[in-house]
Amino acid sequence: DAMVIQNPRYQVTQFGKPVTLSCSQTLNHNVMYWYQQKSSQAPKLLFHYYDKDFNNEADTPDNFQSRRPNTSFCFLDIRSPGLGDAAMYLCATSSRRDQPQHFGDGTRLSIL
Amino acid sequence: AQSVTQPDIHITVSEGASLELRCNYSYGATPYLFWYVQSPGQGLQLLLKYFSGDTLVQGIKGFEAEFKRSQSSFNLRKPSVHWSDAAEYFCAVVLNYGGSQGNLIFGKGTKLSVKP
Repeated sequence: DAMVIQNPRYQVTQFGKPVTLSCSQTLNHNVMYWYQQKSSQAPKLLFHYYDKDFNNEADTPDNFQSRRPNTSFCFLDIRSPGLGDAAMYLCATSSRRDQPQHFGDGTRLSIL
Repeated sequence: AQSVTQPDIHITVSEGASLELRCNYSYGATPYLFWYVQSPGQGLQLLLKYFSGDTLVQGIKGFEAEFKRSQSSFNLRKPSVHWSDAAEYFCAVVLNYGGSQGNLIFGKGTKLSVKP
C-alpha cells in the first residue's frame, strides 16, 4: 500500500543533542509537510516543501531545519533540542497544496 | 478573526448512539473543508472532504458531514457510534487565498469517548 512512513516511532535524545527524524513516502506526492503536535493540541505546521522549494512558517524556531534530498524522503533536524521541543512530530504529503494530506504515524520525541 | 472553531472539547456518547461533532469556520470565502481522526499515538486519517457540489459528503467508517454555507458550518455525523470510534477528531480548512493559502488550518479538536 502507498503510504507515509516515519522513523523512528519513538526517539529519545538529550537536551542540546542534535536529532534527525525521517519521513518517506511511496505516494509520489509533490508536497511534504512537517508538523509539531503537543499533547491535546492540534498539529502546528513547521514547514513544507513543494518539490524542492522550501517554505518555512514565520514562527518556526531557527532550531528546526529540514532537508528533502529527493521526492521520496524528507528529514527534520533539530539542532539543539530543548525541553519544550518534546512533542509528536508528524509528516504529511499531498499532491498539491489544496489537496488532502496523508499523514504518517508520527515520531514521539522525548528530551532528557 | 479568521479561525476554525470546534466548540466541544470532549464529548461522551454511548455505543450505538448517534453522534454530531460541530465545526464552524470564519473566513470570507468558502474554504476547502476536511475532517480528520486521530487515534492515540497515531497520525491523522482523512475521514472526508468537501470542495464543492453536494453539501452532504460521505466518508469512511460510516461518517458523513454536511456543509451549510449560511451557518459557516461543516458538522460531522454518524448514526451509530462504535467503541472503536473513540479518538480525537479535527476539523480543518485549506484556504485558497491570502497569506496562508494552501495551509491546512486545524480546529482545536474534539475528543470522543464511547461508553459501553
